Amino acid sequence: GIQVEQSPPDLILQEGANSTLRCNFSDSVNNLQWFHQNPWGQLINLFYIPSGTKQNGRLSATTVATERYSLLYISSSQTTDSGVYFCAAPRGAAGNKLTFGGGTRVLVKP
Amino acid sequence: DAGVIQSPRHEVTEMGQEVTLRCKPISGHNSLFWYRQTMMRGLELLIYFNNNVPIDDSGMPEDRFSAKMPNASFSTLKIQPSEPRDSAVYFCASSPRVSGANVLTFGAGSRLTVL
Repeated sequence: GIQVEQSPPDLILQEGANSTLRCNFSDSVNNLQWFHQNPWGQLINLFYIPSGTKQNGRLSATTVATERYSLLYISSSQTTDSGVYFCAAPRGAAGNKLTFGGGTRVLVKP
Repeated sequence: DAGVIQSPRHEVTEMGQEVTLRCKPISGHNSLFWYRQTMMRGLELLIYFNNNVPIDDSGMPEDRFSAKMPNASFSTLKIQPSEPRDSAVYFCASSPRVSGANVLTFGAGSRLTVL
């Protein structure tokens, strides 16, 4: 099945800093999603981004499907951005079953 | 919409007991997923339903686990008998059927502790 790897595993940011999280996947995909798990455990869908670039407030994501990676950008980080960021890609052509990466744990310090 | 609703939020039980976790997907979503999250293994897909029919249960760890979806608004995940290694957070997620893409919306999770 597809392999999904994220880097870095941990990230400590000073409030206001910018950062980039990376997700590499082993096969071609038609569905790539980014999630944020907040400190209370809730998983929130941030982006559905099989290709191209999307922006949502201070967050943006870019997927380069031909090179099998996706990037999540956090700009002007805030303490509320803390948590774990996961990317997920589908197993198989159907695109219905997502395999999650190991996550990037982000801590934003005030 | 209230989102994906899971219950109970927390469950503490003793080894050997039956555990039933419940999920109400978002109305109109045709696909429902059960995931398990542990420190060691991360987020794992257990089973997936489409239009109430189980499509792939290859992630279900063993026969002690079973899942049902009797109608479009309700699903259960049952563990019988439970074991300490089943301790984890169990998430339910649903998605609309959008031309091959599935944007997942997760519930808040059910944290299970088996003593």
